[in-house]
Amino acid sequence: SQQGEEDPQALSIQEGENATMNCSYKTSINNLQWYRQNSGRGLVHLILIRSNEREKHSGRLRVTLDTSKKSSSLLITASRAADTASYFCATAPGTGRRALTFGSGTRLQVQP
Amino acid sequence: EPEVTQTPSHQVTQMGQEVILRCVPISNHLYFYWYRQILGQKVEFLVSFYNNEISEKSEIFDDQFSVERPDGSNFTLKIRSTKLEDSAMYFCASSETSGGTYNEQFFGPGTRLTVL
Repeated sequence: SQQGEEDPQALSIQEGENATMNCSYKTSINNLQWYRQNSGRGLVHLILIRSNEREKHSGRLRVTLDTSKKSSSLLITASRAADTASYFCATAPGTGRRALTFGSGTRLQVQP
Repeated sequence: EPEVTQTPSHQVTQMGQEVILRCVPISNHLYFYWYRQILGQKVEFLVSFYNNEISEKSEIFDDQFSVERPDGSNFTLKIRSTKLEDSAMYFCASSETSGGTYNEQFFGPGTRLTVL
């Protein structure tokens, strides 16, 4: 898989359920960031997790990072219809380089 | 809450014309970026800018592209001679600097560029 690849590509759940999205990457990173994008709109920053962190929380969001497996997961608990969007992970390599490499994203559909 | 703004929201141009996309980064941020997203494809990095110079650029950012910080607030991307394949959503982003820490990049709403 390419740097920053998410799975599943698409996920459909009922309101109130939890949604889990995964991201895998290939090269070493300084940090990994998750973004949300509503259809045709801008990218909203959700959370940043650094390579020396294993887990972070922000409201209903929980992000984990396993650098040994080069993977991250984003958990949205108690989902709402308003959570319907595409979710992307993006990795920053560090070592002086800040360019983010984005994955293809997971399209989340939350049914009311 | 501070946010990155971009103008225009939509730009239509003829092939071969020059376009300038404008961005106002978050005021205390010192790193600025341009990314693009071709319809249905991944978001791709174009260039980063710090201390009035390009700090990093991708293979996409060739001689037809240039960036500038013309004043204390604006950050622009110029495409000199647009091609059909330049049609995309262009995102500006900015981030704080704090020593060597790599921080969150906050994105603007994007400019949709359509080249006819």
